[in-house]
Amino acid sequence: QQQVKQSPQSLIVQKGGISIINCAYENTAFDYFPWYQQFPGKGPALLIAIRPDVSEKKEGRFTISFNKSAKQFSLHIMDSQPGDSATYFCAASKYQAGTALIFGKGTTLSVSS
Amino acid sequence: GAVVSQHPSRVICKSGTSVKIECRSLDFQATTMFWYRQFPKQSLMLMATSNEGSKATYEQGVEKDKFLINHASLTLSTLTVTSAHPEDSSFYICSAYRTNSGNTIYFGEGSWLTVV
Repeated sequence: QQQVKQSPQSLIVQKGGISIINCAYENTAFDYFPWYQQFPGKGPALLIAIRPDVSEKKEGRFTISFNKSAKQFSLHIMDSQPGDSATYFCAASKYQAGTALIFGKGTTLSVSS
Repeated sequence: GAVVSQHPSRVICKSGTSVKIECRSLDFQATTMFWYRQFPKQSLMLMATSNEGSKATYEQGVEKDKFLINHASLTLSTLTVTSAHPEDSSFYICSAYRTNSGNTIYFGEGSWLTVV
Protein backbone atom coordinates (compact mmCIF):
# COMPACT_ATOMS: atom_id res chain seq x y z
CA GLN A 1 0.00 0.00 0.00
CA GLN A 2 1.50 3.25 -1.12
CA GLN A 3 1.55 5.67 1.77
CA VAL A 4 2.57 8.74 -0.22
CA LYS A 5 1.06 9.32 -3.65
CA GLN A 6 2.71 11.82 -5.97
CA SER A 7 1.57 13.35 -9.23
CA PRO A 8 2.22 14.03 -12.01
CA GLN A 9 4.83 11.48 -12.97
CA SER A 10 6.38 13.95 -15.38
CA LEU A 11 6.00 17.63 -16.05
CA ILE A 12 7.16 19.97 -18.79
CA VAL A 13 7.15 23.68 -18.04
CA GLN A 14 8.39 26.65 -20.02
CA LYS A 15 11.10 28.81 -18.59
CA GLY A 16 9.60 31.37 -16.28
CA GLY A 17 6.48 29.31 -15.66
CA ILE A 18 5.17 27.77 -12.46
CA SER A 19 5.78 24.08 -11.76
CA ILE A 20 3.30 22.40 -9.45
CA ILE A 21 3.72 18.93 -8.00
CA ASN A 22 1.16 17.35 -5.71
CA CYS A 23 1.34 14.73 -3.00
CA ALA A 24 -1.18 13.00 -0.80
CA TYR A 25 -0.52 10.94 2.28
CA GLU A 26 -2.55 8.37 4.15
CA ASN A 27 -1.02 8.06 7.59
CA THR A 28 -2.42 10.76 9.87
CA ALA A 29 0.54 10.22 12.21
CA PHE A 30 2.86 11.83 9.66
CA ASP A 31 3.83 15.33 10.73
CA TYR A 32 6.88 16.15 8.66
CA PHE A 33 6.71 16.71 4.91
CA PRO A 34 9.92 17.47 3.01
CA TRP A 35 10.59 17.81 -0.68
CA TYR A 36 13.80 16.54 -2.21
CA GLN A 37 15.45 17.33 -5.53
CA GLN A 38 17.52 14.70 -7.25
CA PHE A 39 19.76 15.03 -10.28
CA PRO A 40 20.74 11.93 -12.28
CA GLY A 41 23.33 9.85 -10.52
CA LYS A 42 23.21 11.92 -7.34
CA GLY A 43 21.65 11.52 -3.96
CA PRO A 44 18.54 13.54 -3.11
CA ALA A 45 18.99 16.99 -1.65
CA LEU A 46 16.53 18.62 0.73
CA LEU A 47 14.72 21.56 -0.86
CA ILE A 48 12.14 22.62 1.65
CA ALA A 49 10.05 21.03 4.38
CA ILE A 50 6.86 21.82 6.27
CA ARG A 51 5.13 20.72 9.43
CA PRO A 52 1.34 20.73 9.95
CA ASP A 53 1.27 23.82 12.16
CA VAL A 54 1.47 26.05 9.08
CA SER A 55 -0.39 25.93 5.76
CA GLU A 56 2.35 27.42 3.62
CA LYS A 57 6.10 27.83 3.68
CA LYS A 58 8.16 29.75 1.19
CA GLU A 59 11.89 29.68 0.57
CA GLY A 60 13.01 31.67 -2.43
CA ARG A 61 11.25 30.36 -5.52
CA PHE A 62 10.00 27.24 -3.73
CA THR A 63 6.72 27.14 -1.81
CA ILE A 64 5.02 24.28 -0.01
CA SER A 65 1.27 24.42 0.43
CA PHE A 66 -0.19 22.10 3.05
CA ASN A 67 -3.82 21.03 3.53
CA LYS A 68 -4.10 18.97 6.70
CA SER A 69 -7.79 18.13 6.34
CA ALA A 70 -7.29 16.83 2.81
CA LYS A 71 -3.98 15.18 3.72
CA GLN A 72 -2.34 16.83 0.75
CA PHE A 73 0.68 19.00 0.16
CA SER A 74 2.20 20.50 -2.93
CA LEU A 75 5.38 22.08 -4.19
CA HIS A 76 5.26 25.21 -6.30
CA ILE A 77 8.36 26.31 -8.18
CA MET A 78 7.99 29.90 -9.31
CA ASP A 79 9.89 31.31 -12.30
CA SER A 80 11.04 27.83 -13.27
CA GLN A 81 14.51 27.66 -14.80
CA PRO A 82 16.25 25.04 -16.95
CA GLY A 83 18.52 24.34 -13.99
CA ASP A 84 15.46 23.19 -12.06
CA SER A 85 15.12 20.23 -14.43
CA ALA A 86 15.44 17.25 -12.10
CA THR A 87 13.37 14.64 -10.34
CA TYR A 88 11.43 15.84 -7.32
CA PHE A 89 10.31 13.59 -4.51
CA CYS A 90 7.86 14.37 -1.78
CA ALA A 91 8.22 12.46 1.45
CA ALA A 92 6.55 12.10 4.79
CA SER A 93 7.38 10.84 8.23
CA LYS A 94 6.81 11.35 11.89
CA TYR A 95 8.85 14.26 13.17
CA GLN A 96 10.97 12.40 15.64
CA ALA A 97 14.56 11.34 15.52
CA GLY A 98 15.06 7.90 14.09
CA THR A 99 12.00 7.86 11.86
CA ALA A 100 12.56 7.00 8.22
CA LEU A 101 11.15 9.01 5.36
CA ILE A 102 8.57 7.43 3.07
CA PHE A 103 8.93 8.74 -0.47
CA GLY A 104 6.49 9.37 -3.25
CA LYS A 105 7.27 7.93 -6.67
CA GLY A 106 8.82 11.11 -7.97
CA THR A 107 8.12 13.70 -10.64
CA THR A 108 10.52 14.34 -13.48
CA LEU A 109 10.48 18.04 -14.27
CA SER A 110 11.77 19.41 -17.55
CA VAL A 111 11.99 23.16 -17.94
CA SER A 112 12.32 24.17 -21.55
CA SER A 113 14.26 27.24 -22.50
CA GLY B 1 29.47 20.70 1.34
CA ALA B 2 28.36 17.14 1.84
CA VAL B 3 27.57 16.14 5.38
CA VAL B 4 27.02 12.48 4.57
CA SER B 5 29.61 10.68 2.51
CA GLN B 6 29.33 7.34 0.74
CA HIS B 7 32.09 5.17 -0.60
CA PRO B 8 32.54 3.87 -3.18
CA SER B 9 30.48 5.98 -5.53
CA ARG B 10 30.62 3.25 -8.16
CA VAL B 11 31.52 -0.40 -7.89
CA ILE B 12 31.40 -3.33 -10.27
CA CYS B 13 31.59 -6.81 -8.85
CA LYS B 14 31.28 -10.32 -10.17
CA SER B 15 28.21 -12.37 -9.51
CA GLY B 16 28.59 -14.39 -6.31
CA THR B 17 30.99 -12.03 -4.61
CA SER B 18 30.31 -9.59 -1.77
CA VAL B 19 30.69 -5.84 -1.79
CA LYS B 20 30.72 -3.33 1.05
CA ILE B 21 29.41 0.22 0.88
CA GLU B 22 30.31 2.73 3.57
CA CYS B 23 28.23 5.63 4.82
CA ARG B 24 29.83 8.28 7.02
CA SER B 25 28.42 11.32 8.74
CA LEU B 26 31.18 13.87 8.35
CA ASP B 27 30.66 16.49 11.03
CA PHE B 28 28.01 15.07 13.30
CA GLN B 29 27.16 11.95 15.19
CA ALA B 30 24.36 9.85 13.77
CA THR B 31 22.79 7.30 16.05
CA THR B 32 20.40 6.36 13.28
CA MET B 33 21.12 5.90 9.60
CA PHE B 34 18.90 4.59 6.86
CA TRP B 35 19.66 2.60 3.73
CA TYR B 36 17.60 3.01 0.58
CA ARG B 37 17.71 1.31 -2.79
CA GLN B 38 16.71 3.06 -5.97
CA PHE B 39 16.28 1.37 -9.32
CA PRO B 40 16.52 3.53 -12.47
CA LYS B 41 13.67 5.99 -12.82
CA GLN B 42 12.05 4.75 -9.64
CA SER B 43 11.63 6.06 -6.14
CA LEU B 44 13.76 5.45 -3.10
CA MET B 45 12.72 2.32 -1.26
CA LEU B 46 13.68 2.00 2.38
CA MET B 47 15.69 -1.15 3.00
CA ALA B 48 16.61 -0.87 6.65
CA THR B 49 17.14 1.36 9.63
CA SER B 50 20.59 1.17 11.13
CA ASN B 51 21.04 1.98 14.82
CA GLU B 52 24.45 2.41 16.37
CA GLY B 53 25.35 -0.49 18.59
CA SER B 54 22.34 -2.61 17.80
CA LYS B 55 20.91 -4.77 15.06
CA ALA B 56 19.42 -3.12 12.04
CA THR B 57 15.69 -3.15 11.44
CA TYR B 58 14.84 -4.42 7.98
CA GLU B 59 11.79 -3.58 5.93
CA GLN B 60 9.47 -6.32 4.84
CA GLY B 61 10.83 -8.21 1.88
CA VAL B 62 14.46 -7.22 2.41
CA GLU B 63 16.71 -10.20 3.09
CA LYS B 64 18.73 -9.45 6.19
CA ASP B 65 21.18 -12.26 5.48
CA LYS B 66 21.88 -10.86 2.05
CA PHE B 67 22.11 -7.19 2.95
CA LEU B 68 24.26 -7.04 6.06
CA ILE B 69 24.21 -3.74 7.89
CA ASN B 70 26.69 -2.78 10.57
CA HIS B 71 26.61 0.49 12.51
CA ALA B 72 29.67 0.12 14.67
CA SER B 73 30.28 3.78 15.42
CA LEU B 74 28.33 7.02 15.61
CA THR B 75 29.70 8.17 12.27
CA LEU B 76 29.84 5.00 10.19
CA SER B 77 27.33 2.50 8.87
CA THR B 78 28.16 -0.15 6.29
CA LEU B 79 26.01 -2.14 3.91
CA THR B 80 27.43 -5.41 2.63
CA VAL B 81 25.70 -7.07 -0.29
CA THR B 82 26.58 -10.74 0.02
CA SER B 83 26.59 -13.22 -2.84
CA ALA B 84 25.61 -10.45 -5.21
CA HIS B 85 23.55 -11.20 -8.29
CA PRO B 86 22.79 -9.04 -11.33
CA GLU B 87 19.35 -8.23 -9.93
CA ASP B 88 21.07 -6.53 -6.99
CA SER B 89 22.47 -3.95 -9.38
CA SER B 90 21.04 -0.66 -8.19
CA PHE B 91 21.73 2.74 -6.68
CA TYR B 92 22.17 2.44 -2.93
CA ILE B 93 21.73 5.58 -0.87
CA CYS B 94 22.25 6.12 2.82
CA SER B 95 20.92 8.91 4.98
CA ALA B 96 21.53 10.07 8.50
CA TYR B 97 19.62 11.98 11.10
CA ARG B 98 21.21 15.17 12.31
CA THR B 99 19.33 15.83 15.51
CA ASN B 100 20.82 19.26 16.23
CA SER B 101 19.40 20.67 13.01
CA GLY B 102 15.71 20.14 13.58
CA ASN B 103 15.68 16.45 12.88
CA THR B 104 16.85 17.01 9.33
CA ILE B 105 17.77 13.95 7.32
CA TYR B 106 20.78 14.27 5.07
CA PHE B 107 21.45 11.94 2.19
CA GLY B 108 24.69 10.64 0.83
CA GLU B 109 25.61 10.90 -2.83
CA GLY B 110 24.73 7.27 -3.44
CA SER B 111 26.65 4.24 -4.61
CA TRP B 112 26.09 2.60 -7.96
CA LEU B 113 26.45 -1.16 -7.76
CA THR B 114 26.73 -3.17 -10.95
CA VAL B 115 26.90 -6.93 -10.66
CA VAL B 116 28.20 -8.68 -13.77
